[in-house]
Amino acid sequence: DVVMTQSPLSLSVTLGQPASISCRSSQSLVYSDGNTYLSWFQQRPGQSPRRLISKVSNRDSGVPDRFSGSGSGTDFTLKISGVESEDVGVYYCMQGTHWPRTFGQGTNVEIK
Amino acid sequence: DVQLLESGGGLVQPGGSLRLSCAASGFSFTSYSMTWVRQAPGKGLEWVSVISGNGATTYYADSVKGRFTISRDNSKNTLYLQMNNLRAEDTAVYYCAKGSSGPDYWGQGTLVTVSS
Repeated sequence: DVVMTQSPLSLSVTLGQPASISCRSSQSLVYSDGNTYLSWFQQRPGQSPRRLISKVSNRDSGVPDRFSGSGSGTDFTLKISGVESEDVGVYYCMQGTHWPRTFGQGTNVEIK
Repeated sequence: DVQLLESGGGLVQPGGSLRLSCAASGFSFTSYSMTWVRQAPGKGLEWVSVISGNGATTYYADSVKGRFTISRDNSKNTLYLQMNNLRAEDTAVYYCAKGSSGPDYWGQGTLVTVSS
């Protein structure tokens, strides 16, 4: 199975400051069709997960532009340009290239 | 609007069975693979299973293979997860989600508790 490793697992950020979460996969996530199926999800306390980013860097409709995704191959990053209070929650990366699909452990983002 | 509504969760004894349902609306159900993901209390997300749009192809996590069966009824726009021989470690909120490679819509989840 592809292991997804996130770091850090916990992040305490001052309002308005940037935040960055790393996600590394144990195998390349480039699929035979040329796409890289790496997604980012946000799970606010008490809520269902919500997809923020698909295929490394494609922001979903309604997702604020302070969220951005980047990376390639096995190394990926989610950045929040200026953390707001509504960004508190757990963030997961997920690979959708290989079977079985796998998630990272999650990164808990809190406000300092 | 896309809506996914899970049901069927509850308390079941170890070794028992439960069938979860997920009623979908707001999109062309037959055109999309559907996924089940679970989350044990206080833990992270765990991918469980996926089924293709026509139901012909399925995949399972090793942790549930041979015990869980995913299926769908495209005439009813409904996704199912038949769970047999349940164990304490299957206790979790079960989410259905639209799509396979990076599900874009998720339901609110249904809680399954396996305990004597």
